[in-house]
Amino acid sequence: NAGVTQTPKFRILKIGQSMTLQCTQDMNHNYMYWYRQDPGMGLKLIYYSVGAGITDKGEVPNGYNVSRSTTEDFPLRLELAAPSQTSVYFCASSSGGANVLTFGAGSRLTVL
Amino acid sequence: DQQVKQNSPSLSVQEGRISILNCDYTNSMFDYFLWYKKYPAEGPTFLISISSIKDKNEDGRFTVFLNKSAKHLSLHIVPSQPGDSAVYFCAASGTNAGKSTFGDGTTLTVKP
Repeated sequence: NAGVTQTPKFRILKIGQSMTLQCTQDMNHNYMYWYRQDPGMGLKLIYYSVGAGITDKGEVPNGYNVSRSTTEDFPLRLELAAPSQTSVYFCASSSGGANVLTFGAGSRLTVL
Repeated sequence: DQQVKQNSPSLSVQEGRISILNCDYTNSMFDYFLWYKKYPAEGPTFLISISSIKDKNEDGRFTVFLNKSAKHLSLHIVPSQPGDSAVYFCAASGTNAGKSTFGDGTTLTVKP
C-alpha cells in the first residue's frame, strides 16, 4: 500500500519556467490537499479538493493551479515560476473522518 | 493573523523525562486538533488527535490535553525517547472540507 506518492522529489527551475508536481493516492480518499512549507514555518494550504471535478483555493493559491479529474490524482501546476515559490511542497489526502491527513514525502522545489 | 501558534520553536529534554509541547489557537470554530510528527526529508505523520468535545486523549506514551476556555492544547510525551526527536506540528480543523491550519512547529530534541 503506497499511500500518497509525490513526484519529483527534487526539482530546480529557472524563473519563468513552468512545471507540474504530481500526486497520487491509492487509499480511495475523497479529500486531497496541497501544502507548502517554507523554512522554519508551518504548512500553508495552497489548494484542496473534496472530490473528483471539485477544487478550491486555500490560503496561498496565487501562482498555482490544480485539477482533479480522478479520485486518485491531484496535480499542482506552477506557471511562471518565481523565487518566492522556492519551498517544500506536500500533498495530502483524507477520508474526511476525524480530518486526519496522510502526507506524501514532499517535493523540494528551488527557483533560481 | 496566525490562527494556530506554537510559541516555542525548540525544546530539549533528557531521555526518560516528560516532554510538553504547547499550542494556542484563536478560532473558536475549530472542531478537531491534531498533532503531527515530522522527521527530516519526510512528510508529516499523524500522531494523535482530540475532538473539541473532549479535554484529554491518551495513546500510549502520548497524551493531548485541550483547554477550550483558554484556547490551548498541549502534547505530553512520557517517557521521552531519543527516537521522539523530530519536529512536532499542531494543527486545527473545522467541518469545512477537513482543511487543517498548522502551527510553525516545535523541534523536540531528546538527549540520551
